[in-house]
Amino acid sequence: AQSVTQLGSHVSVSEGALVLLRCNYSSSVPPYLFWYVQYPNQGLQLLLKYTSAATLVKGINGFEAEFKKSETSFHLTKPSAHMSDAAEYFCAVSASADRGSTLGRLYFGRGTQLTVWP
Amino acid sequence: EAQVTQNPRYLITVTGKKLTVTCSQNMNHEYMSWYRQDPGLGLRQIYYSMNVEVTDKGDVPEGYKVSRKEKRNFPLILESPSPNQTSLYFCASSPTRLAGGRGEQFFGPGTRLTVL
Repeated sequence: AQSVTQLGSHVSVSEGALVLLRCNYSSSVPPYLFWYVQYPNQGLQLLLKYTSAATLVKGINGFEAEFKKSETSFHLTKPSAHMSDAAEYFCAVSASADRGSTLGRLYFGRGTQLTVWP
Repeated sequence: EAQVTQNPRYLITVTGKKLTVTCSQNMNHEYMSWYRQDPGLGLRQIYYSMNVEVTDKGDVPEGYKVSRKEKRNFPLILESPSPNQTSLYFCASSPTRLAGGRGEQFFGPGTRLTVL
């Protein structure tokens, strides 16, 4: 089974500070991992994804995430926060191997609301 | 423009009054699904469809129905809405089930439903 735990439902940073959003996963097969961003009153947008290629994945808007198998983690980082980064961020996992009904399904974490202070 | 559309975007209704939220995609995608988003719970899958006339339950299907008579449309039906179905609903589509699992999943803008 696949599941995701996002540590911290709310994270606040100052503009220009490092952003670190934590995600740990559980998967019975090699996982695919994703970060989605949801801006106010909008749908979800894919920020970046790990699908078993390079462990350090770069996404849009300067975000990146590193897949660490030994720590079962996929934390999202950005060196310098911008006011426009304020949004809710969701980590998600899916199964890379055929597992019947779980194939292709995304399992989402509970989300982390990022606030950026001026 | 490739997109997933949902209607209505906002809906306030009363307990027991049947309603339908429509979802349509113009990308010829095989796989479509419905999620509900609740504060502190993230997104949970309600139903999904792998192709026309093929649907299956997700994690929270109780109180919902779906149909897939055409490839582009995947309506969500609440036959007797209750207050615990007040939520934000998202429709999503992907080229195939496998592609969806690889992150090629497109989300609609959401429908905010309030059941009084």
